[in-house]
Amino acid sequence: DIQMTQFPSSLSASVGDRVTITCRASQSIGNNLNWYQQKPGKAPNLLIYTASTLGRGVPSRFSGSGSGTDFTLTISSLQPEDFATFFCQQTYSTPDTFGPGTKVDIK
Amino acid sequence: EVQLVESGGGLVQPGGSLRLSCAASTFTLRTYWMSWIRQAPGKGLEWVANIKQDGDETYYVDSVKGRFTISRDNAKNSLYLQMNSLGGEDTAVYYCARGMWSSRLSAFDIWGQGTMVTVSS
Repeated sequence: DIQMTQFPSSLSASVGDRVTITCRASQSIGNNLNWYQQKPGKAPNLLIYTASTLGRGVPSRFSGSGSGTDFTLTISSLQPEDFATFFCQQTYSTPDTFGPGTKVDIK
Repeated sequence: EVQLVESGGGLVQPGGSLRLSCAASTFTLRTYWMSWIRQAPGKGLEWVANIKQDGDETYYVDSVKGRFTISRDNAKNSLYLQMNSLGGEDTAVYYCARGMWSSRLSAFDIWGQGTMVTVSS
């Protein structure tokens, strides 16, 4: 199985900050990488798919990049509603696997 | 609004069984691969199983093979997960989710609200 790691595991940031989260795959996965945002008590919401394509209705302050083994999710200007946990997911090979998550909270 | 609604979760004793259901509204389930994904309390996400549009192909994570069965009834626009021989490691919120591409491996663009399964004596 492909192992996904994320770092940092958590971070504290302020409204307006630029935030970057990294996801790394244990082997090359091309651009088969997706990002989700999950708020407490809620289901995950698809933010970005195939590494850099914005999901439906997702604000343009979110962006994704990377290919191969290293990927990043960037929030250009953190908003109050962005505080949540973010997960990456590889869809290169079965079983698709998720990263352990990065929790973004208020500084 | 496009949505999925799970039901069937609850408290079950170790070794017991439970059947989860997932009903789709405002879209036709038959055109999508569908998955179950779970999340243990305070933990990350784990894909559990998925099923092809016509139900002819199913796949499972190793830890549930032989114990869980995913199925679908396209006429009822519904997805199911039969869980047998449950253990504490199966305690989690279970989500059904829609694969956004017509292939087995897919991002999930629609998720249900989740149903909690607690395995405890």
